Amino acid sequence: DVKVTQSSRYLVKRTGEKVFLECVQDMDHENMFWYRQDPGLGLRLIYFSYDVKMKEKGDIPEGYSVSREKKERFSLILESASTNQTSMYLCASSPTGTGRAEAFFGQGTRLTVV
Amino acid sequence: DAKTTQPPSMDCAEGRAANLPCNHSTISGNEYVYWYRQIHSQGPQYIIHGLKNNETNEMASLIITEDRKSSTLILPHATLRDTAVYYCIVRAPASNFGNEKLTFGTGTRLTIIP
Repeated sequence: DVKVTQSSRYLVKRTGEKVFLECVQDMDHENMFWYRQDPGLGLRLIYFSYDVKMKEKGDIPEGYSVSREKKERFSLILESASTNQTSMYLCASSPTGTGRAEAFFGQGTRLTVV
Repeated sequence: DAKTTQPPSMDCAEGRAANLPCNHSTISGNEYVYWYRQIHSQGPQYIIHGLKNNETNEMASLIITEDRKSSTLILPHATLRDTAVYYCIVRAPASNFGNEKLTFGTGTRLTIIP
């Protein structure tokens, strides 16, 4: 069974803390994505990566950075957490190529910054 | 990726067919139409995709108009478990040289009424 695993389901952090959200996939997918989801705003793309050490900004990268040192792992970093980064964070992966190339999602991390 | 437009919400009676529309008037020739759904508190889940022809699988049917500017997802016999947010996405095949970006909109909130 294919799987995308996010390290935490719920997380509470203090303002100003450095926060790491980890995502691991076991499908050997080339592409990995980080989204945040807020009520009424749908899923918004923060960053994505199409290969190890490669990263591209999504639609809302401000306040975030990412790291992909290994193919299976994609980390989202909040350098200095702020209350407006309280949200549900979702990680996804997808393969490269033609045909069926759907994305698989993790269960999400609900981050609260206090 | 082409922009899509979906109604924000829909209701459907249990046991009836749920027809969810999506407009993608700027779709390019090599872009596929993908549908995902997100049940409350879970990550989005792939449903179906297509390029030109109508498609059917165990979950749903996808009808794409001849000009490919719109599509309809059909859940033939809706159940209460089909209550979810449904996302329509158009996306070219991913490659290591572009097209990896995967963006979602706000989707359609489908409520199945008992």
